[in-house]
Amino acid sequence: SQKIEQNSEALNIQEGKTATLTCNYTNYSPAYLQWYRQDPGRGPVFLLLIRENEKEKRKERLKVTFDTTLKQSLFHITASQPADSATYLCALVVSSNTGKLIFGQGTTLQVKP
Amino acid sequence: DAGVTQSPTHLIKTRGQHVTLRCSPISGHKSVSWYQQVLGQGPQFIFQYYEKEERGRGNFPDRFSARQFPNYSSELNVNALLLGDSALYLCASSLGPGQGTYEQYFGPGTRLTVT
Repeated sequence: SQKIEQNSEALNIQEGKTATLTCNYTNYSPAYLQWYRQDPGRGPVFLLLIRENEKEKRKERLKVTFDTTLKQSLFHITASQPADSATYLCALVVSSNTGKLIFGQGTTLQVKP
Repeated sequence: DAGVTQSPTHLIKTRGQHVTLRCSPISGHKSVSWYQQVLGQGPQFIFQYYEKEERGRGNFPDRFSARQFPNYSSELNVNALLLGDSALYLCASSLGPGQGTYEQYFGPGTRLTVT
């Protein structure tokens, strides 16, 4: 069966450390993988997109890796801040024709000062 | 520029009733997608519309329907509401398939509670 899995347990880290979130998937062949941030009671906000032929993408303190052999993406936030506390969702673009997104369940990150 | 707007913000309905949720995309975006998000889960794809045509449908019963208007705004309709339909309904807009990017811009959502 097709699955996208993110760590269901919340990730608690100290301010200034690097947070690493994992997204694993099975039985999909996505052309793109995206990461979104969601705050309580709000819609997800797009952060980064990485293509299947890209190994790594960076944007300011964010870094995403995409390993299509392992079927895994890692999402890193360096020099984390309490304002980074939120739920982070990975999403696969499973149809380049429609842009349909399949989301993981999200991982909640808590950065403590 | 205004982002994606959705109305209403909150809604309480009784089992068996019907509900209509509305969405206005970002100006210039021609594609609207609808997602259902149950507490503690990621959003689940319901529909995508592009240029007023349905381009994708998720695994939802026929009680769920949608349409897109000439101004690219959209409505999601749910008939014969069940308790399990209680969720946050999200609308997302994008330029459209094949436009070179698959970023989706989400609205704040409509919180539907079915009692």
